[in-house]
Amino acid sequence: DADVTQTPRNRITKTGKRIMLECSQTKGHDRMYWYRQDPGLGLRLIYYSFDVKDINKGEISDGYSVSRQAQAKFSLSLESAIPNQTALYFCATSDFSDGGRETQYFGPGTRLLVL
Amino acid sequence: GENVEQHPSTLSVQEGDSAVIKCTYSDSASNYFPWYKQELGKRPQLIIDIRSNVGEKKDQRIAVTLNKTAKHFSLHITETQPEDSAVYFCAAPSLSGYALNFGKGTSLLVTP
Repeated sequence: DADVTQTPRNRITKTGKRIMLECSQTKGHDRMYWYRQDPGLGLRLIYYSFDVKDINKGEISDGYSVSRQAQAKFSLSLESAIPNQTALYFCATSDFSDGGRETQYFGPGTRLLVL
Repeated sequence: GENVEQHPSTLSVQEGDSAVIKCTYSDSASNYFPWYKQELGKRPQLIIDIRSNVGEKKDQRIAVTLNKTAKHFSLHITETQPEDSAVYFCAAPSLSGYALNFGKGTSLLVTP
């Protein structure tokens, strides 16, 4: 789905470094999310935002921060990366409509390796 | 997610057989249950969902059933094909009601 893009697609960094993962969408959705995926653990929610002024912690927000620069942009930062943050990171957007149906549209993912 | 359990974690079936994946949820107020499919190296994509006011929904070879009393819902795939091989995730609204919690996923392998 080219409407949700993530940069970079792959990133290798060292312990202690600060890195930022970026997400952009052209779907016009207000809701945006960051997840991490680890083998056997599924998709876990890090942060979510329902509009530019709204930021909420998810299940595993420790060690992460986010910024919603505009309706279309939602960035995830690791202030001081550690090896157990090695994972596949997905950004997603959603439209909450039709009396409660919420389809989430995922970006292509960013594969992060922390050495 | 904290309130969604998914079983089995892996499932292997022969082509043409049926596959069933089950999820349980804890919040009786939950009213929306989607299923996502993630092919190898790809992003998750919605394949079917169900609202709590219906017990079953079908879309060609896939169907989802919901038992509100028992608080579980299941994905049924009939006449499986190799292209059904993927990881499947169920989801339910989080306890806050403002996001989705995903199950840990089921890796389905359909062998020819």
